[in-house]
Amino acid sequence: QKEVEQNSGPLSVPEGAIASLNCTYSDRGSQSFFWYRQYSGKSPELIMFIYSNGDKEDGRFTAQLNKASQYVSLLIRDSQPSDSATYLCAVISGSARQLTFGSGTQLTVLP
Amino acid sequence: GAGVSQSPSNKVTEKGKDVELRCDPISGHTALYWYRQSLGQGLEFLIYFQGNSAPDKSGLPSDRFSAERTGGSVSTLTIQRTQQEDSAVYLCASSQGASNSPLHFGNGTRLTVT
Repeated sequence: QKEVEQNSGPLSVPEGAIASLNCTYSDRGSQSFFWYRQYSGKSPELIMFIYSNGDKEDGRFTAQLNKASQYVSLLIRDSQPSDSATYLCAVISGSARQLTFGSGTQLTVLP
Repeated sequence: GAGVSQSPSNKVTEKGKDVELRCDPISGHTALYWYRQSLGQGLEFLIYFQGNSAPDKSGLPSDRFSAERTGGSVSTLTIQRTQQEDSAVYLCASSQGASNSPLHFGNGTRLTVT
């Protein structure tokens, strides 16, 4: 089992819709969770981080964390074509100090 | 500079040659990471430096790979006797060092081994 798993997609949503991206992790001791966005040919850039159970909102983005179920999700409201990118979930596990990334979900927002 | 700086941005080398990739982290960041990303793939952890602690080398794929960080700042990733499967984008990132600190990535070095 991979430490961090994401549905590779591709995921397509129409412009203005809500895009939902999901991620599960295997280490129950994990404490810190991040979502990065990566445009084709570019480096990852941080979108959101979340440490506590529940929801965290930042503009059109909402991160949701459920430690009991070991999943973290990212919702993008009012999706725009400029949101089209690969979204990477990353976790700092309880045992390791380094950040482990999922393989990413490719999102396409159709105009 | 304000961000993580990596050089060179592109490197083409012949199989069997050694290469050095450089990373200059954000000033004041104590943690420095190297990742590798092959075409269409996720990020593969290579090595992690935190302050003066011994580095976490658990991700290095073979003994041809090594890295050092001088003076707690600039880091160099060295690949000896390069192979074609080493072709990838090598990404460096730094953070403030706390376990929950976000990583800030450089633009990467695209390595092509011919």
